[in-house]
Amino acid sequence: AQSVTQPDIHITVSEGASLELRCNYSYGATPYLFWYVQSPGQGLQLLLKYFSGDTLVQGIKGFEAEFKRSQSSFNLRKPSVHWSDAAEYFCAVGVNYGGSQGNLIFGKGTKLSVKP
Amino acid sequence: DAGITQSPRHKVTETGTPVTLRCHQTENHRYMYWYRQDPGHGLRLIHYSYGVKDTDKGEVSDGYSVSRSKTEDFLLTLESATSSQTSVYFCAISEGAKTGQYFGPGTRLTVT
Repeated sequence: AQSVTQPDIHITVSEGASLELRCNYSYGATPYLFWYVQSPGQGLQLLLKYFSGDTLVQGIKGFEAEFKRSQSSFNLRKPSVHWSDAAEYFCAVGVNYGGSQGNLIFGKGTKLSVKP
Repeated sequence: DAGITQSPRHKVTETGTPVTLRCHQTENHRYMYWYRQDPGHGLRLIHYSYGVKDTDKGEVSDGYSVSRSKTEDFLLTLESATSSQTSVYFCAISEGAKTGQYFGPGTRLTVT
């Protein structure tokens, strides 16, 4: 069965430090992969997506992610974290079943705290 | 931001009462989804729609029903609310697998 694992429930980094959030997926075919960010009390915002081509994808707010098929991973990175990046981050894999071509399976999320 | 609104944004209701949550989109996207979000569980799919009058169950559909009579509206109904349905409910829309989903602001539902 398809699944997404985010091994880190909570990460704290200092402002200005680099960030890497881990995501591993289980899916038989070439996956469609997504990262979302959720600020407190808000809905989810799409940061970036991968479905083919270059394995390093750029997103909004200075984030990037790298797809590694051999490791079934899609880790999110940012070179220098800002205090406003404190939020919860969700990785998701797109699956096709039933009548829908756009269903997503989400990981349980990683909460990012930023120290001044 | 994608044009998605949810109403109401907050609701408190009593156990056993019916509740309907509304999702409205102005993007003319084909697919619409209802999720619930609970601590420790992430987002779980309740129901989804792949067209007008075309709906299907998700992972946690028990106790919920949906209807989509127009492209722009997707209704989620709790026929008889229970305390276990206290949650934050999100609606999402999509044009297909490659585009990802775009989320509404959420509805916080408390069942007392």
